[in-house]
Amino acid sequence: AQSVTQLDSQVPVFEEAPVELRCNYSSSVSVYLFWYVQYPNQGLQLLLKYLSGSTLVKGINGFEAEFNKSQTSFHLRKPSVHISDTAEYFCAVSDREDFNKFYFGSGTKLNVKP
Amino acid sequence: SAVISQKPSRDICQRGTSLTIQCQVDSQVTMMFWYRQQPGQSLTLIATANQGSEATYESGFVIDKFPISRPNLTFSTLTVSNMSPEDSSIYLCSVVLGTNTEAFFGQGTRLTVV
Repeated sequence: AQSVTQLDSQVPVFEEAPVELRCNYSSSVSVYLFWYVQYPNQGLQLLLKYLSGSTLVKGINGFEAEFNKSQTSFHLRKPSVHISDTAEYFCAVSDREDFNKFYFGSGTKLNVKP
Repeated sequence: SAVISQKPSRDICQRGTSLTIQCQVDSQVTMMFWYRQQPGQSLTLIATANQGSEATYESGFVIDKFPISRPNLTFSTLTVSNMSPEDSSIYLCSVVLGTNTEAFFGQGTRLTVV
């Protein structure tokens, strides 16, 4: 079975500062990795995904994430955040053999302050 | 991509009653997924809805409490039965398109049980 750990439940940061949201996973099989964002009162929107190939993945809104197989991590980064990035971010994995099932981390609330 | 519409977007219900949530997708999909997002927590998969067969429930969720219908390839309903305040959550419908591997989500139904 897969599990996803997001160690930081909340991350406060000032506008234009860099941010890193941490995600670690455990799995006995190969997985696909995802980051989703949820704005208030909305559904989830895909930021980026890692399927294979280059371990550095670029997504929408200037976000990127790096897959580290040895550390089983998939941390999300942005070099300069905006007020509009304030949202909750979820890391997720799916099994390569059963990619329809997603397992989510507990989420990290990013609060960007002016 | 997929556009998913959920109805209602929110509701306040009396304990002991039932609520049926509708999910409409703009394309035909084999499987549809129902998730629960309890306050301050992550998403938990309730069940997988397959067209033409009974839904497959995850551990901790049962058909009597969360009956699901899947009459065709673009529509599904989830009923939350005999509700209690503990059922207050956001319920989300999701699909994965073919081998796209990305999960698409509806905007969710915010349920409050009083």
